[in-house]
Amino acid sequence: KAGVTQTPRYLIKTRGQQVTLSCSPISGHRSVSWYQQTPGQGLQFLFEYFSETQRNKGNFPGRFSGRQFSNSRSEMNVSTLELGDSALYLCASSLLSGSGTDTQYFGPGTRLTVL
Amino acid sequence: SQKIEQNSEALNIQEGKTATLTCNYTNYSPAYLQWYRQDPGRGPVFLLLIRENEKEKRKERLKVTFDTTLKQSLFHITASQPADSATYLCALWTGTASKLTFGTGTRLQVTL
Repeated sequence: KAGVTQTPRYLIKTRGQQVTLSCSPISGHRSVSWYQQTPGQGLQFLFEYFSETQRNKGNFPGRFSGRQFSNSRSEMNVSTLELGDSALYLCASSLLSGSGTDTQYFGPGTRLTVL
Repeated sequence: SQKIEQNSEALNIQEGKTATLTCNYTNYSPAYLQWYRQDPGRGPVFLLLIRENEKEKRKERLKVTFDTTLKQSLFHITASQPADSATYLCALWTGTASKLTFGTGTRLQVTL
C-alpha cells in the first residue's frame, strides 16, 4: 500500500504571499489531519478533515484553512504569509475520526520557508 | 495550563544499554498515550499505544509504562542500537479534545 504523500516537499515564499499544500492519504483512509512542526513549539495540531468535513481545529489564525475532497485528498492553504509560518507541515491519515486508538500515518512533510 | 514535557536535552547512551525516555503531563486526563519515532527530514512513525487502564505494554525491544497517578509515561528501548538514534515523541489523546497532542520530543543518540 502506498504511504501518505505530500507535495511539494519544499517551498520558498515571501511575506504576504499565499501557499497551498497538498496531501494524499493512504488508500481507504478518510481522515486527514494537518500539523505544523517548528523547533520551538514542536508538533501543533492545525485541523482534521473526515469525509470532506472539518471535524476539529487547533488554535491557529484564520489565515490557515483547509479542505478535503471526495477522494479524501486534502489541501491546506495559508494566506498572507508571515516569517513565523516557516515550518515543516505534516499531514497524517487514519481510518477513523476521533478515535484515540487509531494510528496516524504521517507523510514526509512540506518544508515551507518564508523570506 | 496544559503541558506535555519531554526532556529537551538529547539522551546519549552506549550501544547495548537500555534507553529510558520520559513523558510528563499536567492538566490532562488522557485516555490513550502513543509514542512515535521521527527521523530527520521525515514524518513521525507510530510505535506503541497504551490505554489509561494499562500499566505496561511491550513490543519486541520496546516497553512503555503509563502511570496516571504520577501523570507520567516511560519509554524503554532495551539492547539499544545505533539505528535507534532518532527523536521520540509522546502524544496524548483525550476524549474532550478528540485529538492527539504531542510533546516536543527527546532526541536519542546511541553510540558504539
